[in-house]
Amino acid sequence: EVQLSESGGGLIQPGGSLRVSCAASGLSFGNYAMSWVRQAPGKGLEWVSTINGGAGNTYYADSVKGRFTISRDNSKNILSLQMDSLRAEDTAVYYCAKDITPLHYMDVWGRGTTVTVSS
Amino acid sequence: ETVMTQSPATLSASPGERATLSCRASQSVGRNLAWYQQKPGQAPRLVMFAASSRATGVPDRFSGSGSGTEFTLTISSLQSEDFEVYYCQQYNKWPLSFGGGTKVEI
Repeated sequence: EVQLSESGGGLIQPGGSLRVSCAASGLSFGNYAMSWVRQAPGKGLEWVSTINGGAGNTYYADSVKGRFTISRDNSKNILSLQMDSLRAEDTAVYYCAKDITPLHYMDVWGRGTTVTVSS
Repeated sequence: ETVMTQSPATLSASPGERATLSCRASQSVGRNLAWYQQKPGQAPRLVMFAASSRATGVPDRFSGSGSGTEFTLTISSLQSEDFEVYYCQQYNKWPLSFGGGTKVEI
């Protein structure tokens, strides 16, 4: 069974940095693109970023481009999202998800980690 | 950017009734359209992909249709566990994008 488990969320001040991670198990991790999707409190889903299996290609939503960096360690089955210059509007539950590669819909999701940006 | 618009925002129905959820894309996405169900406090669950293919374990009362810019998710006979929020997502072009969701309520 494929399992994804996010960690690293917390309370951070505006302008600060935070790194969230996702540990994957039950799959050949390097064979799949992985994505981050977030959900602000009481709001809908927002795609954030995707990285392909070989980590050669990365994609970002305009709202986070230049501030967030997605990466992966295929030797450790870890997906990460480095978030810099955080804003109040980045407050959300951050989900990692496994993409159906080479398409990009998500068939397995983690439970999410909560990031709160507030002073 | 492809903007996805779902309607209605809230659909009120009774168990046993048929529910029809709509999703419109601002430009053609072919059949590269997925639907997700989300329960409160939980991660989304894939329901449909390629516009009309049910994901593993999804009951056959769920069906999807459409192509291009107009899509529909139909639940033929609502069961208690179906009263949740549903999102569509296009994966035809970057950036990926979700609709705003439809809440199916009793």
